[in-house]
Amino acid sequence: DAGVIQSPRHEVTEMGQEVTLRCKPISGHDYLFWYRQTMMRGLELLIYFNNNVPIDDSGMPEDRFSAKMPNASFSTLKIQPSEPRDSAVYFCASSLRQQETQYFGPGTRLLVL
Amino acid sequence: QKEVEQNSGPLSVPEGAIASLNCTYSDRVSQSFFWYRQYSGKSPELIMSIYSNGDKEDGRFTAQLNKASQYVSLLIRDSQPSDSATYLCAVNEDTPLVFGKGTRLSVIA
Repeated sequence: DAGVIQSPRHEVTEMGQEVTLRCKPISGHDYLFWYRQTMMRGLELLIYFNNNVPIDDSGMPEDRFSAKMPNASFSTLKIQPSEPRDSAVYFCASSLRQQETQYFGPGTRLLVL
Repeated sequence: QKEVEQNSGPLSVPEGAIASLNCTYSDRVSQSFFWYRQYSGKSPELIMSIYSNGDKEDGRFTAQLNKASQYVSLLIRDSQPSDSATYLCAVNEDTPLVFGKGTRLSVIA
């Protein structure tokens, strides 16, 4: 398997623009997780899905953030409008079951100017 | 609020020494424990998972779990410069993983 795939790998945008991050989980994994990592706050869980259904989005910082999983092989995290404080590395991870090992994608480095 | 605490480091050890990384957690009913390694600019990758009290060994790595004291540790024997990275402790019960902020390890050649 190719592992978790994320795109784009790098994104530079201006404040106020819409940003869409994409993720393809490992085939057969039922759980998909979106994380944000910064030096100050470490790795934070934003939202996770089970069988394409959002289970917990309490980590989503504001209404500017939204996530969807239209099918088992694709998820998006959207920020609209983006702000400089959204600059971070965003990781997608997937796992077979909730308590089991999560496998991380390579991440998207987002810089909002 | 479930918390996982790690010393941020940096922890510096000479090449060939044993590196000891520690993690404490707040949720007494946690059942699954993981150590991830993250190289600078890369994504976290799993090193070890442990579910029962005691030690679990895998090559140069040993994970130790003490549920009564609510801590989990990672020992790296014969440390190599390539082990220099940030090590993340992660814990869960019936919820998704809660990650510590990581300990930065530097192995000096």
